[in-house]
Amino acid sequence: NAGVMQNPRHLVRRRGQEARLRCSPMKGHSHVYWYRQLPEEGLKFMVYLQKENIIDESGMPKERFSAEFPKEGPSILRIQQVVRGDSAAYFCASSPQTGLESGELFFGEGSRLTVL
Amino acid sequence: ILNVEQSPQSLHVQEGDSTNFTCSFPSSNFYALHWYRWETAKSPEALFVMTLNGDEKKKGRISATLNTKEGYSYLYIKGSQPEDSATYLCASPQGAQKLVFGQGTRLTINP
Repeated sequence: NAGVMQNPRHLVRRRGQEARLRCSPMKGHSHVYWYRQLPEEGLKFMVYLQKENIIDESGMPKERFSAEFPKEGPSILRIQQVVRGDSAAYFCASSPQTGLESGELFFGEGSRLTVL
Repeated sequence: ILNVEQSPQSLHVQEGDSTNFTCSFPSSNFYALHWYRWETAKSPEALFVMTLNGDEKKKGRISATLNTKEGYSYLYIKGSQPEDSATYLCASPQGAQKLVFGQGTRLTINP
């Protein structure tokens, strides 16, 4: 399967623990986007990354959240000291080098974080 | 701030009927309009990416139109089938880098 792969699919954490969500983009895609879906809400943009660069992190909460997309390996969304309000589905999407005016995003199936 | 709005939020349609719903977006600094189909427990999948005013795209029984001057797009489904049940999302890029989604229209086809 050459699609966008996210893991884990489900993650349970207690308040104060760390959550790490991984995303492997489609082969040949160098652009990665993270979105969050809170209960009963739509997809909210968090961050856009290219290899080794954060391009737009305007949707990331100022504290506890960070993202990276290293030269080798998957993109990682890291949430430190999780709180119950972080419980959500986190979706990763990738795109090839073409821009959003001509190319669509390819989504993974999401990682569902539950904070107890 | 770019606001992408969709209506209605939810829709129930009898199998075999045709239906349509709306996406509105700010018409200034327009780049593109995306439509995605999102089935429960799956990932969103792209239906169309539209850029030209007056453009119309079609995929099987689903089609979409675009009016960039007034800032709206319609998605049409002809002869609805149960497998069309899904949430339909539209999105528009803010700048060239950030795709902003509407809340979606949740479509249920009643057999």
